[in-house]
Amino acid sequence: AQKITQTQPGMFVQEKEAVTLDCTYDTSDPSYGLFWYKQPSSGEMIFLIYQGSYDQQNATEGRYSLNFQKARKSANLVISASQLGDSAMYFCAMGSIQGAQKLVFGQGTRLTINP
Amino acid sequence: DGGITQSPKYLFRKEGQNVTLSCEQNLNHDAMYWYRQDPGQGLRLIYYSQIVNDFQKGDIAEGYSVSREKKESFPLTVTSAQKNPTAFYLCASRGGTGALTSTDTQYFGPGTRLTVL
Repeated sequence: AQKITQTQPGMFVQEKEAVTLDCTYDTSDPSYGLFWYKQPSSGEMIFLIYQGSYDQQNATEGRYSLNFQKARKSANLVISASQLGDSAMYFCAMGSIQGAQKLVFGQGTRLTINP
Repeated sequence: DGGITQSPKYLFRKEGQNVTLSCEQNLNHDAMYWYRQDPGQGLRLIYYSQIVNDFQKGDIAEGYSVSREKKESFPLTVTSAQKNPTAFYLCASRGGTGALTSTDTQYFGPGTRLTVL
């Protein structure tokens, strides 16, 4: 079974600072994918970034990067130069690379950016 | 515009009634998914479908039913057997059914908030 743990219920950061959101995972699958989604107060889930377990380099998408440490089973999201619009819930998720991509989600971290 | 639509946005149901949530996509995606989100929690998978006329149970399928008669539609029925149906329901779709890639991940609709009175 796959499991995602996000240990930070809430984070408060000053605008323009970098922030790291923690995510640890557990799986017996030899190959898997890790995702981060953003959920604003409107409720929609917005895909941010993906990391495959066999990818040699950490994924980056604009201001988002994923600090993937396979031996430690962690996949932390780093947001550089935070903006007020980054205030939202952030969810880490994982799924097997092969098959139906059934995603397992963590409980989320509420990020608040202060001006 | 291409995307996923869910209707209605808010839904109120009396106890003992069945209710159907709509999910439509015009992305020509093969796979579709239904998730449930409770307050302060992550998403949990209810049902998924990788092809028309075929679907599988997720982790919390009891009290729910689905159909996939058309590629673009994947309605979810919340039956009276679902003991605690008040939640936020999200539908997602994915273009392929093969290996995961950064460009072939799940994209979500805006959600339906169901409240049982």
